[in-house]
Amino acid sequence: EVQLLESGGGLVQPGGSLRFSCTVSGFTFSSHAMSCVRQAPGKGPEWVSTISASGGATHYADSVKGRFTISRDNSKNTLYLQMNSLRAEDTAIYYCARGSVTYGFLFDSWGQGTLVTVSS
Amino acid sequence: EIVLTQSPGTLSLSPGETATLSCRASQSVSSSYLAWYQQKPGQAPRLLIYGASSRATGIPDRFSGSGSGTDFTLTISRLEPEDFALYYCQQYGSSPWTFGQGAKVEIK
Repeated sequence: EVQLLESGGGLVQPGGSLRFSCTVSGFTFSSHAMSCVRQAPGKGPEWVSTISASGGATHYADSVKGRFTISRDNSKNTLYLQMNSLRAEDTAIYYCARGSVTYGFLFDSWGQGTLVTVSS
Repeated sequence: EIVLTQSPGTLSLSPGETATLSCRASQSVSSSYLAWYQQKPGQAPRLLIYGASSRATGIPDRFSGSGSGTDFTLTISRLEPEDFALYYCQQYGSSPWTFGQGAKVEIK
């Protein structure tokens, strides 16, 4: 069974940092691109970042470019998102999502999400 | 950036009826790289349809997708109680990969 388990959410002050982690099981992690998608309260999902299966290529939404860094450790089946210079508008549930084998930006499995709240 | 606009915002229907949801793109979605997701309260989105019309693994055949270019449709036939939820479209043809604002199917 495919499972994605996020951790690392919480309350942080504006300007602060947080590291989001997603540990997976039930599939070959190193064969899939992985993404972070967030959803602010009452809003639709918003793509944040994607990393290729090997980790050699990364993509970011303009809203987080220069502040967030995505990485992965294929030996630990874990995805990371380092979030720096956090702003109130970054408040959302953060999901990790698996890219399909054929289309890396098609999200075929999702974790349950972790809430990040940026507030003073 | 491709903006996806979903309509209607809310659809009120009874079990057994058919729901028709629309997703209109601000520019053509390349190769029909258009997906639909279902989301229930407190849960993550679940992939229903990809490539505009292909059902994801385990999705019942009462869910169907159609369309191309800028106009896409999700049809849910014979609504079951578990189908009342939020639905989002997403394009994965060009960066940034964007989602619609969502459409709610509620029990009438």
